[in-house]
Amino acid sequence: EIELTQSPATLSLSPGERATLSCRASQSISIYLAWYQQKPGQAPRLLIHDASNRATGIPARFSGSGSGTDFTLTISSLEPEDFAVYYCQQRFNWPWTFGQGTKVEFK
Amino acid sequence: EVQLVESGGGLVQPGGSLRLSCAASGFNFDNYWMSWVRQAPGKGLEWVANIKQDGTEKYYVDSVKGRFTISRDNAKSSLYLQMNSLRAEDTAVYYCVRDCNIGPCDYWGQGTLVTVSS
Repeated sequence: EIELTQSPATLSLSPGERATLSCRASQSISIYLAWYQQKPGQAPRLLIHDASNRATGIPARFSGSGSGTDFTLTISSLEPEDFAVYYCQQRFNWPWTFGQGTKVEFK
Repeated sequence: EVQLVESGGGLVQPGGSLRLSCAASGFNFDNYWMSWVRQAPGKGLEWVANIKQDGTEKYYVDSVKGRFTISRDNAKSSLYLQMNSLRAEDTAVYYCVRDCNIGPCDYWGQGTLVTVSS
Protein backbone atom coordinates (compact mmCIF):
# COMPACT_ATOMS: atom_id res chain seq x y z
CA GLU A 1 0.00 0.00 0.00
CA ILE A 2 1.34 3.42 -0.96
CA GLU A 3 1.52 5.82 1.96
CA LEU A 4 1.04 9.55 1.42
CA THR A 5 2.48 11.91 4.00
CA GLN A 6 1.24 15.49 4.04
CA SER A 7 3.05 18.37 5.68
CA PRO A 8 2.58 20.44 7.63
CA ALA A 9 -0.40 19.10 9.56
CA THR A 10 -1.57 22.68 10.15
CA LEU A 11 -0.70 25.88 8.33
CA SER A 12 -1.58 29.16 10.07
CA LEU A 13 -1.78 32.01 7.58
CA SER A 14 -3.61 35.26 6.88
CA PRO A 15 -5.72 36.17 3.85
CA GLY A 16 -3.51 37.32 1.00
CA GLU A 17 -0.58 35.12 2.02
CA ARG A 18 0.82 32.27 -0.04
CA ALA A 19 0.14 28.69 1.09
CA THR A 20 2.46 25.83 0.19
CA LEU A 21 1.29 22.30 1.02
CA SER A 22 3.39 19.18 0.55
CA CYS A 23 2.50 15.56 -0.17
CA ARG A 24 5.15 12.85 -0.26
CA ALA A 25 4.52 9.31 -1.54
CA SER A 26 6.25 6.23 -0.15
CA GLN A 27 7.10 5.17 -3.71
CA SER A 28 6.87 6.72 -7.15
CA ILE A 29 3.33 7.38 -8.33
CA SER A 30 4.23 9.16 -11.58
CA ILE A 31 1.74 12.02 -11.86
CA TYR A 32 -1.31 10.14 -10.55
CA LEU A 33 -1.97 12.51 -7.69
CA ALA A 34 -5.01 14.63 -6.95
CA TRP A 35 -5.73 17.34 -4.40
CA TYR A 36 -9.09 17.89 -2.68
CA GLN A 37 -10.46 20.64 -0.48
CA GLN A 38 -12.90 19.91 2.32
CA LYS A 39 -14.78 22.43 4.43
CA PRO A 40 -16.58 21.50 7.68
CA GLY A 41 -19.80 19.59 7.05
CA GLN A 42 -19.18 19.40 3.30
CA ALA A 43 -18.02 16.76 0.87
CA PRO A 44 -14.52 17.03 -0.56
CA ARG A 45 -14.10 18.97 -3.78
CA LEU A 46 -11.59 18.11 -6.49
CA LEU A 47 -9.05 20.90 -7.03
CA ILE A 48 -6.15 19.40 -8.98
CA HIS A 49 -5.78 16.12 -10.86
CA ASP A 50 -2.79 14.39 -12.44
CA ALA A 51 -0.49 16.51 -10.28
CA SER A 52 -0.92 19.83 -12.06
CA ASN A 53 -4.26 20.06 -13.87
CA ARG A 54 -6.90 22.30 -12.34
CA ALA A 55 -10.36 20.82 -12.22
CA THR A 56 -13.27 22.58 -13.89
CA GLY A 57 -14.16 25.85 -12.20
CA ILE A 58 -11.16 25.95 -9.87
CA PRO A 59 -9.59 29.44 -9.59
CA ALA A 60 -6.15 30.05 -11.03
CA ARG A 61 -4.72 30.84 -7.57
CA PHE A 62 -4.63 27.05 -7.00
CA SER A 63 -1.74 25.26 -8.68
CA GLY A 64 -0.15 21.85 -8.35
CA SER A 65 3.29 20.57 -9.21
CA GLY A 66 5.51 17.53 -8.83
CA SER A 67 5.97 13.99 -10.04
CA GLY A 68 7.35 10.74 -8.73
CA THR A 69 7.24 11.03 -4.94
CA ASP A 70 7.09 14.76 -4.15
CA PHE A 71 4.12 17.00 -4.84
CA THR A 72 3.08 20.51 -3.92
CA LEU A 73 -0.21 22.38 -3.82
CA THR A 74 0.20 26.15 -3.88
CA ILE A 75 -2.46 28.74 -3.18
CA SER A 76 -0.91 31.97 -4.44
CA SER A 77 -2.97 34.40 -2.36
CA LEU A 78 -5.38 33.04 0.23
CA GLU A 79 -8.99 34.10 0.05
CA PRO A 80 -11.25 33.77 3.12
CA GLU A 81 -13.05 30.81 1.53
CA ASP A 82 -9.77 28.87 1.15
CA PHE A 83 -9.43 28.12 4.85
CA ALA A 84 -10.18 24.40 4.90
CA VAL A 85 -8.57 20.95 5.03
CA TYR A 86 -6.68 19.73 1.97
CA TYR A 87 -6.07 16.09 1.07
CA CYS A 88 -3.85 14.49 -1.54
CA GLN A 89 -4.77 11.12 -3.09
CA GLN A 90 -2.96 8.66 -5.36
CA ARG A 91 -4.45 6.38 -8.02
CA PHE A 92 -1.27 4.71 -9.17
CA ASN A 93 -1.58 1.46 -7.21
CA TRP A 94 -4.51 -0.31 -5.50
CA PRO A 95 -5.70 0.47 -2.96
CA TRP A 96 -6.06 4.13 -3.71
CA THR A 97 -4.89 6.07 -0.65
CA PHE A 98 -5.25 9.56 0.79
CA GLY A 99 -2.89 11.65 2.83
CA GLN A 100 -3.90 12.53 6.38
CA GLY A 101 -4.71 16.13 5.45
CA THR A 102 -3.34 19.63 5.98
CA LYS A 103 -5.54 22.15 7.74
CA VAL A 104 -5.13 25.74 6.55
CA GLU A 105 -6.34 27.94 9.38
CA PHE A 106 -6.55 31.65 10.12
CA LYS A 107 -3.50 33.03 11.84
CA GLU B 1 -25.39 19.27 -13.46
CA VAL B 2 -23.85 16.15 -11.94
CA GLN B 3 -25.71 15.03 -8.83
CA LEU B 4 -25.02 12.10 -6.53
CA VAL B 5 -27.49 11.50 -3.72
CA GLU B 6 -26.78 8.86 -1.09
CA SER B 7 -29.33 7.19 1.14
CA GLY B 8 -29.62 4.22 3.46
CA GLY B 9 -27.38 5.26 6.33
CA GLY B 10 -28.39 4.93 9.95
CA LEU B 11 -27.70 3.26 13.27
CA VAL B 12 -26.98 -0.46 13.22
CA GLN B 13 -25.72 -2.89 15.84
CA PRO B 14 -22.33 -4.58 15.52
CA GLY B 15 -22.65 -7.62 13.27
CA GLY B 16 -25.61 -6.12 11.47
CA SER B 17 -26.14 -5.21 7.84
CA LEU B 18 -27.00 -2.10 5.89
CA ARG B 19 -27.40 -1.28 2.21
CA LEU B 20 -26.41 2.12 0.92
CA SER B 21 -27.76 3.53 -2.33
CA CYS B 22 -26.62 6.37 -4.55
CA ALA B 23 -28.84 7.93 -7.20
CA ALA B 24 -26.86 9.56 -9.98
CA SER B 25 -28.04 12.16 -12.47
CA GLY B 26 -26.67 14.74 -14.87
CA PHE B 27 -24.24 12.46 -16.68
CA ASN B 28 -24.10 9.14 -18.55
CA PHE B 29 -23.84 6.84 -15.56
CA ASP B 30 -22.83 3.78 -17.55
CA ASN B 31 -19.77 5.59 -18.95
CA TYR B 32 -18.05 5.88 -15.58
CA TRP B 33 -16.39 3.84 -12.88
CA MET B 34 -18.05 4.60 -9.56
CA SER B 35 -16.65 4.48 -6.03
CA TRP B 36 -17.44 4.64 -2.35
CA VAL B 37 -15.17 6.65 -0.05
CA ARG B 38 -15.70 6.96 3.70
CA GLN B 39 -14.67 9.30 6.47
CA ALA B 40 -14.80 8.36 10.14
CA PRO B 41 -15.87 11.17 12.49
CA GLY B 42 -13.08 13.73 12.77
CA LYS B 43 -10.75 11.62 10.62
CA GLY B 44 -9.40 11.57 7.08
CA LEU B 45 -10.67 9.99 3.89
CA GLU B 46 -10.52 6.29 3.05
CA TRP B 47 -11.32 4.82 -0.34
CA VAL B 48 -13.57 1.76 0.17
CA ALA B 49 -14.46 0.21 -3.17
CA ASN B 50 -15.04 0.86 -6.82
CA ILE B 51 -16.75 -0.79 -9.76
CA LYS B 52 -16.25 -0.74 -13.49
CA GLN B 53 -18.83 0.64 -15.90
CA ASP B 54 -20.32 -2.80 -16.68
CA GLY B 55 -19.84 -4.22 -13.20
CA THR B 56 -17.28 -6.83 -14.30
CA GLU B 57 -14.44 -5.46 -12.17
CA LYS B 58 -14.66 -4.55 -8.50
CA TYR B 59 -11.96 -3.56 -6.06
CA TYR B 60 -12.05 -3.23 -2.28
CA VAL B 61 -9.83 -1.97 0.50
CA ASP B 62 -8.58 -4.93 2.55
CA SER B 63 -10.51 -3.95 5.68
CA VAL B 64 -13.89 -4.53 3.99
CA LYS B 65 -13.11 -7.48 1.71
CA GLY B 66 -15.54 -10.34 2.26
CA ARG B 67 -17.96 -8.08 4.17
CA PHE B 68 -18.92 -5.33 1.71
CA THR B 69 -20.20 -5.72 -1.84
CA ILE B 70 -20.36 -2.91 -4.38
CA SER B 71 -22.86 -3.16 -7.22
CA ARG B 72 -24.64 -0.98 -9.74
CA ASP B 73 -27.79 -0.84 -11.82
CA ASN B 74 -27.07 1.15 -14.97
CA ALA B 75 -30.76 1.13 -15.99
CA LYS B 76 -31.53 3.01 -12.78
CA SER B 77 -28.31 5.07 -12.71
CA SER B 78 -27.74 3.77 -9.22
CA LEU B 79 -24.80 2.57 -7.16
CA TYR B 80 -25.05 0.36 -4.10
CA LEU B 81 -22.95 -0.80 -1.18
CA GLN B 82 -24.11 -3.85 0.75
CA MET B 83 -22.42 -3.86 4.13
CA ASN B 84 -22.52 -7.02 6.25
CA SER B 85 -20.87 -8.00 9.54
CA LEU B 86 -20.55 -4.34 10.45
CA ARG B 87 -18.02 -3.28 13.06
CA ALA B 88 -17.64 -0.18 15.19
CA GLU B 89 -14.71 0.89 13.01
CA ASP B 90 -17.03 1.03 9.99
CA THR B 91 -18.73 4.07 11.55
CA ALA B 92 -18.28 6.87 9.03
CA VAL B 93 -19.86 9.14 6.48
CA TYR B 94 -19.99 7.21 3.22
CA TYR B 95 -19.62 9.20 0.03
CA CYS B 96 -20.68 8.12 -3.43
CA VAL B 97 -18.05 9.33 -5.88
CA ARG B 98 -17.80 9.41 -9.64
CA ASP B 99 -14.77 7.74 -11.22
CA CYS B 100 -11.64 7.49 -8.96
CA ASN B 101 -10.13 5.13 -11.49
CA ILE B 102 -9.67 6.26 -15.08
CA GLY B 103 -9.62 9.79 -13.73
CA PRO B 104 -9.69 11.40 -10.30
CA CYS B 105 -12.62 11.34 -7.86
CA ASP B 106 -14.26 14.19 -9.64
CA TYR B 107 -17.77 14.47 -8.18
CA TRP B 108 -18.89 13.62 -4.66
CA GLY B 109 -22.28 13.20 -3.07
CA GLN B 110 -23.05 14.82 0.28
CA GLY B 111 -22.64 11.55 2.11
CA THR B 112 -24.70 9.32 4.36
CA LEU B 113 -23.76 8.57 7.97
CA VAL B 114 -23.44 4.99 9.13
CA THR B 115 -23.14 4.45 12.87
CA VAL B 116 -22.31 1.00 14.21
CA SER B 117 -23.05 0.84 17.90
CA SER B 118 -24.93 -1.21 20.46
